[in-house]
Amino acid sequence: NAGVTQTPKFQVLKTGQSMTLQCAQDMNHEYMSWYRQDPGMGLRLIHYSVGAGITDQGEVPNGYNVSRSTTEDFPLRLLSAAPSQTSVYFCASSPRQTMNTEAFFGQGTRLTVV
Amino acid sequence: GQQVMQIPQYQHVQEGEDFTTYCNSSTTLSNIQWYKQRPGGHPVFLIQLVKSGEVKKQKRLTFQFGEAKKNSSLHITATQTTDVGTYFCAGPRGSTLGRLYFGRGTQLTVWP
Repeated sequence: NAGVTQTPKFQVLKTGQSMTLQCAQDMNHEYMSWYRQDPGMGLRLIHYSVGAGITDQGEVPNGYNVSRSTTEDFPLRLLSAAPSQTSVYFCASSPRQTMNTEAFFGQGTRLTVV
Repeated sequence: GQQVMQIPQYQHVQEGEDFTTYCNSSTTLSNIQWYKQRPGGHPVFLIQLVKSGEVKKQKRLTFQFGEAKKNSSLHITATQTTDVGTYFCAGPRGSTLGRLYFGRGTQLTVWP
C-alpha cells in the first residue's frame, strides 16, 4: 500500500531556479491538495484539485503552479524559487464522499531556497 | 487568514495530566476533522465529526463538536509520552469537502 508518494524528500534550490515537486496516489482519490507548513503557521493550502483537469487556488497560491492531467498525479511547480518558499510541503489526497473525507498525507518534501 | 482558530499554540504537561485543545470557526462547518503530527512526521487522520453536538471517543481521546458546529475540542485523559506531537483541527471551506483548511495546531509536550 503506497498511499501518497512525494518526491524528492529533500531539496536545496538557488533563488530563481525552478523545480517540480512530485505527488502520486494509488487510492483513486478524486481530491488532491498541496500544503506548506511553516513554524507556527500550521498547514496552509496552496492549490487543490477535485479531479483530473480541474484545479483551483487555496490560501497561498502565489509563486506556485499545478496541473492535474491524471487522477493519480498532482505535481507542484515552483517557477522561480524565492527564500520565502523555504518550507515543508505536503501533498494530500482524499476520496470524494459526503460522509468521510479523511485526507491521506505524503511524507513531505523539505525545501530550502538559498 | 485562517478560517479555524486553534488554542493553545503550545501545551506542556506532566505525564498523567489531562490535555485539551480547542478549535473555533467564524462560520458553520459541515464537518471537522482532527489530525496528529508526530515530530518530523506527516499529519495523520484521527477522526471526523459531522453532527451537531457529536461526541466521539478513542480510548483516552474525546472529541466534541459544538451545537452550532462552529467549535470543537480534543481532550486527552492521562497523557502518555506517546501523545507527544502537534494536534490540528481542519474544516472544509465552502461546498468542496476535500478543500480543507487547518488550524495552526497545538504542540503537546509530555514530560515523563
